[in-house]
Amino acid sequence: NAGVTQTPKFQVLKTGQSMTLQCAQDMNHEYMSWYRQDPGMGLRLIHYSVGAGITDQGEVPNGYNVSRSTTEDFPLRLLSAAPSQTSVYFCASTTGQKETQYFGPGTRLLVL
Amino acid sequence: GNSVTQMEGPVTLSEEAFLTINCTYTATGYPSLFWYVQYPGEGLQLLLKATKADDKGSNKGFEATYRKETTSFHLEKGSVQVSDSAVYFCALSGNSGGSNYKLTFGKGTLLTVNP
Repeated sequence: NAGVTQTPKFQVLKTGQSMTLQCAQDMNHEYMSWYRQDPGMGLRLIHYSVGAGITDQGEVPNGYNVSRSTTEDFPLRLLSAAPSQTSVYFCASTTGQKETQYFGPGTRLLVL
Repeated sequence: GNSVTQMEGPVTLSEEAFLTINCTYTATGYPSLFWYVQYPGEGLQLLLKATKADDKGSNKGFEATYRKETTSFHLEKGSVQVSDSAVYFCALSGNSGGSNYKLTFGKGTLLTVNP
């Protein structure tokens, strides 16, 4: 198993550009989520999905869209990048509410 | 809503010193509690967890006990090594409303162990 994979590892964008951060898992986990990590803030939940076709907002959803067409994939879209979205983004998946969440290696995004 | 408070770092110790990182939480219902570790340049990985009151999670010499009466889940290790240098996150999941899968994190504690 590859676990949770994320691409790209690093990306530089200009303000106003759009892009998609990819996340995939091969563990057949129903639940997937996106977090952003900022210095001194810990990790904050952006969006999550409890299964294919079902998504919901987390703590900091503004400026981001998600979709879940398959169990394996959960892409995160930035519609119009802003410098405030400079961060490290982590995707995670799990099987249940009390179970371990497995994290991808992260995508480091810099918005100029 | 849920919240996690952990001691602010950075924490700097000498090799073989005793480590405690305090973590307290606020949550409704019966959350599960986790410690995740992030080594430099890497993603988060589970260090240990506890799913009910009085449970003790342990891994790689680290321990933490789920104390419902004090709403705490302090991380301890008797003798740290240089290889333990990392950022440690306390987290909880599962409450009485909304999605029970969401993780709520503390802000993280940077640990540096010197030889």
